[in-house]
Amino acid sequence: GAGVSQSPRYKVAKRGQDVALRCDPISGHVSLFWYQQALGQGPEFLTYFQNEAQLDKSGLPSDRFFAERPEGSVSTLKIQRTQQEDSAVYLCASSFLFGGEGKNIQYFGAGTRLSVL
Amino acid sequence: EDQVTQSPEALRLQEGESSSLNCSYTVSGLRGLFWYRQDPGKGPEFLFTLYSAGEEKEKERLKATLTKKESFLHITAPKPEDSATYLCAVLGPGSGNTGKLIFGQGTTLQVKP
Repeated sequence: GAGVSQSPRYKVAKRGQDVALRCDPISGHVSLFWYQQALGQGPEFLTYFQNEAQLDKSGLPSDRFFAERPEGSVSTLKIQRTQQEDSAVYLCASSFLFGGEGKNIQYFGAGTRLSVL
Repeated sequence: EDQVTQSPEALRLQEGESSSLNCSYTVSGLRGLFWYRQDPGKGPEFLFTLYSAGEEKEKERLKATLTKKESFLHITAPKPEDSATYLCAVLGPGSGNTGKLIFGQGTTLQVKP
């Protein structure tokens, strides 16, 4: 497709369950970002991939959060043993390789809304 | 630490009533400032990017300006379809070499007919 695609759009999990969120970036985009957006707040950075390499995971809130992009295209964000505080919208964004004017624009998917009961 | 603060948090306008949204930033060495629009249930949609003080960009009823300390998003004669949350984000030293964006909390605009 032409844009960033995320699935599922909505996910309800019981506390303690594991979840996996998928992101399909724009074709040709080397950079891929995951952000977490709490209700009424701006997105907060979680992790960054350049192709298949995870170069920055400084925003992951705990070791229950894990992300991968094994072939440099589709990425999966996994949350183990979900907690209520994990409830949020998880946004994926992609861009051309960082650097140079016009190449820094990140294009976002619609997000996955995770509700942990 | 790079910080971004947006004001007001919420703004209600009548159709045709022009106004401005503010984005103040504390970044030593700004490498880019971005404005996004976010509709309920959707991801942020790119509007503008500004790189240096004095720069201005326009798109339809929107105009973004940048100074050394803040950016304004001016909305001229808004229409109900301009209702959305407007997000400001910066790219600074805290972004490292990854290009990660640091966002403000957003301004929710409601335009009434």
